[in-house]
Amino acid sequence: QKEVEQNSGPLSVPEGAIASLNCTYSDRGSQSFFWYRQYSGKSPELIMFIYSNGDKEDGRFTAQLNKASQYVSLLIRDSQPSDSATYLCAPLGTDSWGKLQFGAGTQVVVTP
Amino acid sequence: DTEVTQTPKHLVMGMTNKKSLKCEQHMGHRAMYWYKQKAKKPPELMFVYSYEKLSINESVPSRFSPECPNSSLLNLHLHALQPEDSALYLCASSQARGTDTQYFGPGTRLTVL
Repeated sequence: QKEVEQNSGPLSVPEGAIASLNCTYSDRGSQSFFWYRQYSGKSPELIMFIYSNGDKEDGRFTAQLNKASQYVSLLIRDSQPSDSATYLCAPLGTDSWGKLQFGAGTQVVVTP
Repeated sequence: DTEVTQTPKHLVMGMTNKKSLKCEQHMGHRAMYWYKQKAKKPPELMFVYSYEKLSINESVPSRFSPECPNSSLLNLHLHALQPEDSALYLCASSQARGTDTQYFGPGTRLTVL
C-alpha cells in the first residue's frame, strides 16, 4: 500500500468550474499537510498548507483536512487554464527525516 | 522573500565528468534538502542538511556527494554518473527540519550522456 494516494488523472475541468482533488495518507502521526502545484518541467510551488481539521481557504483554493479519516483534499474554484498542472499532496512524515511524503500527483487540465 | 536559487539551470555531462550543482537560500533557513525527480514521478528525497548535520538516503549512490560550505549554501557534487541519473534535481529549504514548509528552487535539469 502506497503511503500517499492520489488519483493520477488527468482530471478534466471546464473553465470556471470547481476542480476537486483528493489525497489519502497512511501515516497517522502526520500533522502538517502541503499542496504543491507543478507545471511541466518546473519545480513544485507551494499552494496551501493545513494543520488543523476542517477547511482552510486562500483565494480560489480551499484545503480540507480530516485526520480521523486520513484524508486531505484541495478544491480549486473558478478554474482557469493557468491552473492546468500537476498537484502534489505532501503530508509531512513523522520519521527522523522529517521529509515530505509526496503522492504521485493529480494532473489537472482546465479546458476553455 | 521565499527564494531558493539553483545553478546551473541545465547541465549536460558525460559519464566520466565531474560537475557540481549549487543551491543557495537567503531566508535564514536552517534546513536544506536535495531531491531528485524523474519524469511523471514525485520528488524523491536524497539528502537533508540541518543544524550542521547531514542525513543521507541510503538508496542514493555514492556518485552523489553533498557539501554544505555554510548555512545558506548546499552543493551536490556529481561524479561518474549514469544515464539513468538524468533527472530534475531540486533544492529546497525550510526554517527547521521536519516541522516547516519547504520552499523549492527552480531546479537543475541534468542530462547524462
